[in-house]
Amino acid sequence: AQKVTQAQTEISVVEKEDVTLDCVYETRDTTYYLFWYKQPPSGELVFLIRRNSFDEQNEISGRYSWNFQKSTSSFNFTITASQVVDSAVYFCALWTGAGSYQLTFGKGTKLSVIP
Amino acid sequence: DTGVSQDPRHKITKRGQNVTFRCDPISEHNRLYWYRQTLGQGPEFLTYFQNEAQLEKSRLLSDRFSAERPKGSFSTLEIQRTEQGDSAMYLCASSPGVDGASETQYFGPGTRLLVL
Repeated sequence: AQKVTQAQTEISVVEKEDVTLDCVYETRDTTYYLFWYKQPPSGELVFLIRRNSFDEQNEISGRYSWNFQKSTSSFNFTITASQVVDSAVYFCALWTGAGSYQLTFGKGTKLSVIP
Repeated sequence: DTGVSQDPRHKITKRGQNVTFRCDPISEHNRLYWYRQTLGQGPEFLTYFQNEAQLEKSRLLSDRFSAERPKGSFSTLEIQRTEQGDSAMYLCASSPGVDGASETQYFGPGTRLLVL
């Protein structure tokens, strides 16, 4: 069975600080995909990134970067120079296939950026 | 290009009543998903449609829950004889259906249900 663990329930940072959100996953499948979503107070999940298990290259998109390490089964998300608009709940999710279309989500990390 | 829309956004009902939610996916997306999210938790998968066919159901989808997508466009999720434990956010997502089962799912704003 697959599982996603986001050990950090809540994080508070002061604006302009860097912050890293941790994600650890469990799966026996060799082919899988990892996702990050952002959920602002409005409730809608906003897609941020999709990464497959064969691509361990780190990715940077503006102030966002992702570090994928298969050796530690982690897919961590870093926000550089955080802004108040980054305040939200962030979810890491896993897709492992095996005939299923479902995403398995972690419990989320609530990020508060204080001005 | 409009996103996934859901109606209503909020619903308050009394225990034992039936409720129905609607989801309109992104235009031309032929895959549609329903998830449920309770407070402090991540979304949990309920069911999946490929066009009008319901191809996957979670064990969370009890007999009181039924989902349809009659013409392969919008979908409805009905809960019969609601219970207080049904109080949650019901999220709908869609995906194009062109990139395998792992393709990105795009979510709507959700319907927040409160059962009194």
